[in-house]
Amino acid sequence: DAKTTQPNSMESNEEEPVHLPCNHSTISGTDYIHWYRQLPSQGPEYVIHGLTSNVNNRMASLAIAEDRKSSTLILHRATLRDAAVYYCILRDLTFSSGSARQLTFGSGTQLTVLP
Amino acid sequence: DAGVTQSPTHLIKTRGQQVTLRCSPKSGHDTVSWYQQALGQGPQFIFQYYEEEERQRGNFPDRFSGHQFPNYSSELNVNALLLGDSALYLCASSLTGLEKLFFGSGTQLSVL
Repeated sequence: DAKTTQPNSMESNEEEPVHLPCNHSTISGTDYIHWYRQLPSQGPEYVIHGLTSNVNNRMASLAIAEDRKSSTLILHRATLRDAAVYYCILRDLTFSSGSARQLTFGSGTQLTVLP
Repeated sequence: DAGVTQSPTHLIKTRGQQVTLRCSPKSGHDTVSWYQQALGQGPQFIFQYYEEEERQRGNFPDRFSGHQFPNYSSELNVNALLLGDSALYLCASSLTGLEKLFFGSGTQLSVL
């Protein structure tokens, strides 16, 4: 899997938007961009994923650069509950039935939300 | 609908012992993956089971083995425990063909 680069940590004020960047300059054409987050004392939790177009769901938005070499996870209004480690992961679509599609985690970005 | 459940939540073992961790996937999911997460690091892939077979393996020694049962639940076994095996062990389940993985809260293993 291609590698991603994220800042080690970021801070945000409560109820303000947060933009979490991710660089993936070696992304291939079949790599989807996934975001997971891990709250304290819990397992990772799926946030969002996309291929080329920007994506929105109830948790967040994903903005993907036109050349796909970078992306940004956007939390529109940060809450204290959003304090977590956020992982940006590239995942190849190529698979056959039953074959593994593992996630390769990096170190992620520790997001601190200030009240 | 229960999510991914893991047992036990915490476990203390001594060097050289063997341990078995258990995972029940989310209802309807047929694929189970195991990850090891050392303190301060991201999870590292151990292996994945589908149709009761190990389908892919990460860079872990043969001391790490697993099993998947017909009801899709899974076990992770670690033999000859080392101090370095102390970590949070996470189980994730998914349905073949879907992108999203669901993780349990993990088993915290301490090796003394």
